[in-house]
Amino acid sequence: DQQVKQNSPSLSVQEGRISILNCDYTNSMFDYFLWYKKYPAEGPTFLISISSIKDKNEDGRFTVFLNKSAKHLSLHIVPSQPGDSAVYFCAASRSGGYQKVTFGTGTKLQVIP
Amino acid sequence: EPEVTQTPSHQVTQMGQEVILRCVPISNHLYFYWYRQILGQKVEFLVSFYNNEISEKSEIFDDQFSVERPDGSNFTLKIRSTKLEDSAMYFCASSGTAGYQPQHFGDGTRLSIL
Repeated sequence: DQQVKQNSPSLSVQEGRISILNCDYTNSMFDYFLWYKKYPAEGPTFLISISSIKDKNEDGRFTVFLNKSAKHLSLHIVPSQPGDSAVYFCAASRSGGYQKVTFGTGTKLQVIP
Repeated sequence: EPEVTQTPSHQVTQMGQEVILRCVPISNHLYFYWYRQILGQKVEFLVSFYNNEISEKSEIFDDQFSVERPDGSNFTLKIRSTKLEDSAMYFCASSGTAGYQPQHFGDGTRLSIL
């Protein structure tokens, strides 16, 4: 049941450059999308989200883009820092209080100093 | 910043034994969730809980599983008779009530069934 797909299991980027993480979804009922960051031995940490009424949301160095027609979203990190090295999960849900979140498989980002 | 706390961080249990995983959600949140992640696999939804009842559960959440909010702060997941395949990281999450609210996760309990 691959409703949320992250096709790149890993990504290496030089410090200071842009990191672009991609995600595709198949369920048209999803209208709320999130990115979580996860370090080993910790839980997923909420990073940034976007609702389907927007196509871009920005928070500091992090920007999420949503292309509804392509069912595609991406996370841009500019500039990338070594502390950004972690596994990034794309996730999606339907809006509403108790809706479950469906996670992708994650992309391991390594930022090289 | 408020956070979700989970105890214990690691639980080792013999197969067939009961186990209770505990969570303290963020204090003003009213929606609570359990997820699990088997090693090497995706984070999977187990159950959501609101107003003292289950809102939704996955097919993983069978009769061996139950959740409870025994008081105003704790939220628990009980597995009645553990199986080897229950070995996983179990994450508790909570979220606010209005509109588009992200779920915030605890650091998880690693459950190892022997």
